[in-house]
Amino acid sequence: GESVGLHLPTLSVQEGDNSIINCAYSNSASDYFIWYKQESGKGPQFIIDIRSNMDKRQGQRVTVLLNKTVKHLSLQIAATQPGDSAVYFCAENNAGNMLTFGGGTRLMVKP
Amino acid sequence: DTAVSQTPKYLVTQMGNDKSIKCEQNLGHDTMYWYKQDSKKFLKIMFSYNNKELIINETVPNRFSPKSPDKAHLNLHINSLELGDSAVYFCASSYGTGQNSPLHFGNGTRLTVT
Repeated sequence: GESVGLHLPTLSVQEGDNSIINCAYSNSASDYFIWYKQESGKGPQFIIDIRSNMDKRQGQRVTVLLNKTVKHLSLQIAATQPGDSAVYFCAENNAGNMLTFGGGTRLMVKP
Repeated sequence: DTAVSQTPKYLVTQMGNDKSIKCEQNLGHDTMYWYKQDSKKFLKIMFSYNNKELIINETVPNRFSPKSPDKAHLNLHINSLELGDSAVYFCASSYGTGQNSPLHFGNGTRLTVT
């Protein structure tokens, strides 16, 4: 089986509640940000993206908020479902045209 | 149809061996990548190729050599495997250099070196 991310922050929520996953990014020159979801045994899957000229973007049940002042990104998931259980990564594209990933947060949804 | 496919899914080998991982994308993207994910889930870029040309080569040992025969394929060859090479390797692709478009990932190759 897949090894456990021993130092992965974990967020545990009740099914039906809203989830908020936070991410602090490092480069003030970054202009494009992405949230990915990674389920066990699979590759990261694109959820939603946002450019630096926006501070909020909504998708289906997900909202990304960007605060450039404090270099903070958050992913909000409405009405969290068991299928949302996964590891979530934020990623920033910096001036080097390279996508850099954050350390990941494990979301666990309790039925 | 799988958009980014990589083979094999699992690879178990002994130290000192040479092995290859293959990756193909059918999305029409012009940039492909290799990322390494360690046991703590940390994802780090290794290489990036745009239209068969190397554009990013992070601090990766010379034992790792990517090869892109065409823009739909990016293979990774690893010589003289070491224990520390054990990880999950992900191939990805994107339009352009990923500055304004997301990367699409394969499902990974779990490499175990014994």
